[in-house]
Amino acid sequence: DGGITQSPKYLFRKEGQNVTLSCEQNLNHDAMYWYRQDPGQGLRLIYYSQIVNDFQKGDIAEGYSVSREKKESFPLTVTSAQKNPTAFYLCASSISRDRGEGNQPQHFGDGTRLSIL
Amino acid sequence: GEDVEQSLFLSVREGDSSVINCTYTDSSSTYLYWYKQEPGAGLQLLTYIFSNMDMKQDQRLTVLLNKKDKHLSLRIADTQTGDSAIYFCAERAGSWGKLQFGAGTQVVVTP
Repeated sequence: DGGITQSPKYLFRKEGQNVTLSCEQNLNHDAMYWYRQDPGQGLRLIYYSQIVNDFQKGDIAEGYSVSREKKESFPLTVTSAQKNPTAFYLCASSISRDRGEGNQPQHFGDGTRLSIL
Repeated sequence: GEDVEQSLFLSVREGDSSVINCTYTDSSSTYLYWYKQEPGAGLQLLTYIFSNMDMKQDQRLTVLLNKKDKHLSLRIADTQTGDSAIYFCAERAGSWGKLQFGAGTQVVVTP
């Protein structure tokens, strides 16, 4: 079945450590997104990518980095510069930047919960 | 940026109808979406409405759109305990897939 796979489901980070969250999709979608969700709050956009080898900062990009070397993959690195990384991280994708005004819902993975040791 | 606002909490009795409300600010929004999030899971797309419609029905779900007031609502008929979740509305902001989400409404269904 087509979908978005995030791994791992739970991740623990030590002080000063960088960690990378994986996001893979087999929906043949061009656009991919990373969101952060804190308890009782909505989604905040970290980074997004409309196409391979291109990505843009979202609303809270500081302390995070991404790459988009393949269409299927959009890994997120939480760097040691992110002082409050404990949160639930969600990856999403949507169909095509060339779809124009057509319907483009985002499809989500099951999330990664990151905690500090 | 544009804001999407939702009430934070709704309690409803099993078998009753639930109505979740949302207001948005971008008058150029083309599509508006409702997502459901169960504990510890990602967001599941429930339904959507195109901006030239004022109502859409999909089984137990009814979406109403008032473009003049920029108001969107989701009605769940015959609410069940499995409907307990957080519901997010989202508007499409721009010419491609980037969405602006509300903060979510926690729906609790009581027996």
